[in-house]
Amino acid sequence: EAGVVQSPRYKIIEKKQPVAFWCNPISGHNTLYWYLQNLGQGPELLIRYENEEAVDDSQLPKDRFSAERLKGVDSTLKIQPAELGDSAVYLCASSLGAGQGNLGTEAFFGQGTRLTVV
Amino acid sequence: AQKVTQAQTEISVVEKEDVTLDCVYETRDTTYYLFWYKQPPSGELVFLIRRNSFDEQNEISGRYSWNFQKSTSSFNFTITASQVVDSAVYFCALCSGNTGKLIFGQGTTLQVKP
Repeated sequence: EAGVVQSPRYKIIEKKQPVAFWCNPISGHNTLYWYLQNLGQGPELLIRYENEEAVDDSQLPKDRFSAERLKGVDSTLKIQPAELGDSAVYLCASSLGAGQGNLGTEAFFGQGTRLTVV
Repeated sequence: AQKVTQAQTEISVVEKEDVTLDCVYETRDTTYYLFWYKQPPSGELVFLIRRNSFDEQNEISGRYSWNFQKSTSSFNFTITASQVVDSAVYFCALCSGNTGKLIFGQGTTLQVKP
């Protein structure tokens, strides 16, 4: 069974440019997460989707970050414009949805996209 | 407030030594879940274990064991007879209440030398 797939693995852009990351979750997983991981830190949640609904986006910097999960499967995270401080690893994860009685079930992570803003 | 603290930033051991990674958590919820993840150099977070707050039974899986103690809000992870392949960053995480959100500690970098 395929795991969580993210692309690209690496991205280098100049500041003020836009960038987008793509995530394909594990088949059948209704919950999708985007996490931000700074160097030497643990991941921090940016946004959580239950199917196509964003149920927790309280930590997403909405002035420059946006996300979508059309049709409740794949998801895209966008930054526009990127700033130097956005350099980090962006991790996508998926899990069985809480609505299926699986609250607290383990999340499975992709390999992440390492973003470098120069 | 919900918080996870991994006080050990880096640990270095020689192969075959036992090593314990500490994790202390904070939450006011009575229902919560605790996790350990391994992050090898490839970057992917690999799920190791999940425990719920109502199950304090310790668990052993091969060379790995976990000690969950609610009285001290700790969920420590022990690797017995460590191997070079165990070298990675290990994260403890908390999922509390109905949030479905994982709160991670800062991670402990484990280096196992041959």
